[in-house]
Amino acid sequence: QSALTQPASVSGSPGQSITISCTGTSSDVGGYNYVSWYQHYPGKAPKLMIYEVSNRPSGVSNRFSGSESGNTASLTISGLQAEDEADYYCSSYTTNSTLVFGGGTKLTVL
Amino acid sequence: EEQLLESGGGLVQPGGSLRLSCAASGFTFSSYAMSWVRQAPGKGLEWVSAISGSGGRTHYADSVKGRFTISRDNSKNTLSLQMNSLRAEDTALYYCAKGRYASNWYAAFDIWGQGTVVTVSS
Repeated sequence: QSALTQPASVSGSPGQSITISCTGTSSDVGGYNYVSWYQHYPGKAPKLMIYEVSNRPSGVSNRFSGSESGNTASLTISGLQAEDEADYYCSSYTTNSTLVFGGGTKLTVL
Repeated sequence: EEQLLESGGGLVQPGGSLRLSCAASGFTFSSYAMSWVRQAPGKGLEWVSAISGSGGRTHYADSVKGRFTISRDNSKNTLSLQMNSLRAEDTALYYCAKGRYASNWYAAFDIWGQGTVVTVSS
């Protein structure tokens, strides 16, 4: 199972909005509503930001939102803040009864 | 507070074995599926294995199938990963992660530990 495709890096200025894409196939992203997004600061435990495509866990800022179209899922962060600078990973359930992650995207807040 | 604490990592020679443990606290352990996720140096996250809340169902990534065994002891709130026939490519930081549900282990991981480092090298 190949990793989902994410851009290696994205950047934005404070207050702006950015979107990170996560492209898979009909065997994973496009076939199931089980896409999650994680925020990961190096050396720290990853944090769940979005689950089941567009749901936010309690305590996660409403500046984070998720969506999906076809075989591509997206994470949008609005009102960018310095603290949002981190690595972001998407994941999806697959037809092989496994889970696949994206390669990760490094978000830089300029 | 929900917490996960991994242990058991270390340096092992290729072909060797290692057993990782994850101690859970702050939630009803048996009510949730659990997984192991790893991150090799300089690489992204990779799902390794999952187990249902009851322990009756297990799942493995192709890269570890037949070599790794996931298990849990709900009486001790402990998750384990027995790793045999270790290879250099198994070198990684191994995270224990709690699923949101008892059976749909793949739905999402809402609590993660800090990880334990496994190094496979001669």
